[in-house]
Formats: sequence, structure tokens, C-alpha cells
Amino acid sequence: QSALTQPASVSGSPGQSITISCTGTSNDIGILNYVSWFQQHPGKAPKVMIYEVSNRPSGISDRFSGSKSGNTASLTISGLQAEDEADYYCSSYTISSTYVFGTGTKVTVL
Amino acid sequence: EVQLLDSGGGLVQPGGSLRLSCAASGFTFSTYAMTWVRQAPGKGLECVSFVSNSGGTTYYADSVRGRFTISRDNSKNTVYLQMNSLRAEDTAVYYCAQLRFGYWGQGTLVTVSP
Repeated sequence: QSALTQPASVSGSPGQSITISCTGTSNDIGILNYVSWFQQHPGKAPKVMIYEVSNRPSGISDRFSGSKSGNTASLTISGLQAEDEADYYCSSYTISSTYVFGTGTKVTVL
Repeated sequence: EVQLLDSGGGLVQPGGSLRLSCAASGFTFSTYAMTWVRQAPGKGLECVSFVSNSGGTTYYADSVRGRFTISRDNSKNTVYLQMNSLRAEDTAVYYCAQLRFGYWGQGTLVTVSP
């Protein structure tokens, strides 16, 4: 199962918006709306920011939003804040009845 | 409140075995598939093994197939990962996760070293 493709790094200034892409295939992102996004700070467990493409769990800021088009999903962070600096991973359910993760994106707040 | 409590990690010699456990609470465990995910030092997330809600369907990454066995006991709300013939490259933090809604355990460190 090949990993989903994410940019290695994305940066932005406080207050700006950034978008992280996650590219898969018709065997994963393209088949079902089971795409999630996770934030991970150093030494911590991943934390869900978005599930089922665009749903935000309770307690997650509405500055985080998700979308999908074809085989590519995207996470947008609006009003970038210092605390958003972290690694971000996407994941998708697959045709093989399992999950696959993205390669990970390091977000830097300038 | 959803909780996933991972346990069972530790230091083991190459060729040794460990059994990880993950006790779940706060959701209807028997309804959802469960996954073991690992993260080697400085690396990304890797889905190691997956088990369907009933336990009837399992998946293993190529790197662990034939050495690791996933199972679940829905009466105990617990998922297990039996790891045999451990190698240095299996060194990682192992997380159990319910990825449908993004629930994660706190992780348990497995170190394979002489």
C-alpha cells in the first residue's frame, strides 16, 4: 500500500491561510469519504482535526477545514497561529480494507 | 469520553516477542474496525495492522506479515498485537487507533536492541 503524497513542508505568517494537499488514488481517497487529518506535536500522539473529509470533532477550531476533489484531499488552516506549528498527516480508508497515511507535512509559522 | 489505553511495550532482544494490548472505552467497540499504527524515531505514521469490527478481516503491512498477529476480544473491548521475531527496524512507538473518527491511544514504545 503506497503512502499518500503530501508536501514535505508548508509555511505561513501569523494570520495567513495555508492549504496542505494529500494526493492518493481511486483505490483510497477517491472511493469513500473516509479521509482524516491529524496534527502531531513533538513527542505527542496524533490528534484528529478533521474526519470524514470535512467534519470537525468537538473542540476543534473552525479555523481548520477539509475538502476533497477526486483523488486529492486538502486541509486549510485559516488565521494561522503559533500553536498550529506541528506535523500534519492525512489518512484514508482503502480498497484493501485498511487505512493508509500521508507522508506528512511540517507546518512552520514564520 | 473516548479512551484508548495502550500497553505492553518495552525493551526486547532481536528475535524476541511482545504482546501489545489496547483497552477501549467511551464508544461501541464492537461496531468499529481497529488499527495498530507505528512511528519509528523521526519518521512518519505507518499502518501496521488492521482488524475489522468482527475480527473476520485482518490486514498486515508487508514489513510485518508473518511475524505479527492482530486480534480483538469484543467482550473485553480490547485489541491485541502479538509481535514475534522482532527486528531492530520494528523499534517505534506503537499506537492503537480507531481511525473512522480519529481516536488514538497514548502510544507504547517498543525498543528492539541486543
